[in-house]
Amino acid sequence: ETGVTQSPTHLIKTRGQQVTLRCSSQSGHNTVSWYQQALGQGPQFIFQYYREEENGRGNFPPRFSGLQFPNYSSELNVNALELDDSALYLCASSFRRDSNTEAFFGQGTRLTVV
Amino acid sequence: DQQVKQNSPSLSVQEGRISILNCDYTNSMFDYFLWYKKYPAEGPTFLISISSIKDKNEDGRFTVFLNKSAKHLSLHIVPSQPGDSAVYFCAASRTGTASKLTFGTGTRLQVTL
Repeated sequence: ETGVTQSPTHLIKTRGQQVTLRCSSQSGHNTVSWYQQALGQGPQFIFQYYREEENGRGNFPPRFSGLQFPNYSSELNVNALELDDSALYLCASSFRRDSNTEAFFGQGTRLTVV
Repeated sequence: DQQVKQNSPSLSVQEGRISILNCDYTNSMFDYFLWYKKYPAEGPTFLISISSIKDKNEDGRFTVFLNKSAKHLSLHIVPSQPGDSAVYFCAASRTGTASKLTFGTGTRLQVTL
């Protein structure tokens, strides 16, 4: 059974550019959530995808968007990058969107915007 | 608005002693609580959870206590080991919104020899 994997592990982008981060969910999991963790803070919920549809969104602007594919892998896209977007981006997968089960996290992608 | 709070940014405990990490929440709709451990350069790792229908859940050296009236939970680690040194995050969610977690800011635990 493979865990949650994210790519790339590190990324440097220039302000105004666009970025795509990728996540492969744990085998058997159909729900993927994305989180942003700024330095010294806890992870903040960006959005969740269930069966290829967005299923809830946190307090993030529309330039943060995502996709989930039929194999339950997912992408996070951020347009018009700002310096404050520099953070660790975490992907988490879980078995069902409506059950109280733990979410399993990937190792994260460290994004630096310069 | 910080709905989940971990007021102690750091904690130092001697090996073999008890570590107690605390967490407070303000949203009374939260009914499922989790603790995650995070090492540098790794994603958070699930430790233990508790539903609001319980007040205690135990798993080996880890016990989580929930006081709903005080909107407070704590994680006890007994005995503490050097490998427990990490950042611990408390997280909360509502039934039907699994994995839409609200996290605290974390407590860095240092277990000393």
